[in-house]
Amino acid sequence: GAVVSQHPSRVICKSGTSVKIECRSLDFQATTMFWYRQFPKKSLMLMATSNEGSKATYEQGVEKDKFLINHASLTLSTLTVTSAHPEDSSFYICSAATLGGGETQYFGPGTRLLVL
Amino acid sequence: QQPVQSPQAVILREGEDAVINCSSSKALYSVHWYRQKHGEAPVFLMILLKGGEQKGHEKISASFNEKKQQSSLYLTASQLSYSGTYFCGTGYNAGNNRKLIWGLGTSLAVNP
Repeated sequence: GAVVSQHPSRVICKSGTSVKIECRSLDFQATTMFWYRQFPKKSLMLMATSNEGSKATYEQGVEKDKFLINHASLTLSTLTVTSAHPEDSSFYICSAATLGGGETQYFGPGTRLLVL
Repeated sequence: QQPVQSPQAVILREGEDAVINCSSSKALYSVHWYRQKHGEAPVFLMILLKGGEQKGHEKISASFNEKKQQSSLYLTASQLSYSGTYFCGTGYNAGNNRKLIWGLGTSLAVNP
């Protein structure tokens, strides 16, 4: 149980284009989903917290107009990197938590983004 | 507010034990332990909630000392599969705020 998927697993795009990453909870309803960014050999950096049906809460320093988050249903959240630049290249990971799930976050497998 | 993990890195031979610590400067509500292998997402190991409990999971166990605002992860008789980076995530509020603050990680290498 508690499986989270992410799609795509890898994406290469040209500078200036937008990329959408999907995060799905496959066997549970995720009331809250988190989006992280991770640089090589570094810790997880929380970008934003999204609750189903409401606007995402962004961490300080994260541009909400650049990283658009939508949590349209209890099983799907999307992160869209708009007008991507090479400095946006990173490993993006989502996690999902469920109400009454004991605070545990279940992570997706991550999406590696490379912007050329 | 970021928890401090120690040590930064550990190298073990198969069968040896290790302890990884996670300390906070602020009162903790919960501590979450995850292991991440290179290029993969973190995998949940265990969660400890306020109350000073100790939990076990096969040969991996953890304690939570509320007074010291610290959690320790114990790896006994390590196996090759234990290699990876261990992260602690700390929670400071009960209820709806599930945001965790993550430590910088402890890199563990288990050699034959």
